[in-house]
Amino acid sequence: QVQLQQSGAELVKPGSSVKISCKASGYTFTSYDMHWIKQQPGNGLEWIGWIYPGNGNTKYNQKFNGKATLTADKSSSTAYMQLSSLTSEDSAVYFCAREITIAAPFAYWGQGTLVTVSS
Amino acid sequence: DVVLTQTPPTLSATIGQSVSISCRSSQSLLDSDGDTYLNWLLQRPGQSPQLLIYSVSNLESGVPNRFSGSGSETDFTLKISGVEAEDLGVYYCMQATHAPYTFGAGTKLELK
Repeated sequence: QVQLQQSGAELVKPGSSVKISCKASGYTFTSYDMHWIKQQPGNGLEWIGWIYPGNGNTKYNQKFNGKATLTADKSSSTAYMQLSSLTSEDSAVYFCAREITIAAPFAYWGQGTLVTVSS
Repeated sequence: DVVLTQTPPTLSATIGQSVSISCRSSQSLLDSDGDTYLNWLLQRPGQSPQLLIYSVSNLESGVPNRFSGSGSETDFTLKISGVEAEDLGVYYCMQATHAPYTFGAGTKLELK
């Protein structure tokens, strides 16, 4: 079965960067887009972007240009998101999610990674 | 960006009651390929969101058929025919027709 296992919670300082991971199993990693979604405490959901691990193509929500960088390692079936120049506004739970088709981009979800930005 | 407006923000229901949630889009969600990429998701407390319905009315595998979706262009509805305790949580509509993908603010379904 499809599983997305995300890395653990991070406590990071303002101005620093963090890289979180999403290890995929149960399917061919290179065949489906992987999306990343942000959820701030008590708030709704924001789409950050996607990566197609088959060729590394990416598409970002303009809001996250320069903030998020998506990569994928085919050898370990792991997708990564790096967040840079962190501020308190980046404190949130970040999810990876895999599509079924273009019609259903968020069919499978990781458990989420809490990032807390604090000095 | 496409704005999705969900109503009501909070819904109180008894077990067995049928309820509906509305999602209105600031732009038509009909894609040039003829499909309409409007999905519904449920986020139970402390859990990741779960896909319920895609392309307006297609039930995701394993989702009970008490859930149904309808609508077109800019107006969409999720109906739950007979709420069960496991249905409590926050419901989100989201669109994948226009980049960036966007979500509604959510409708919290709670027990009356």
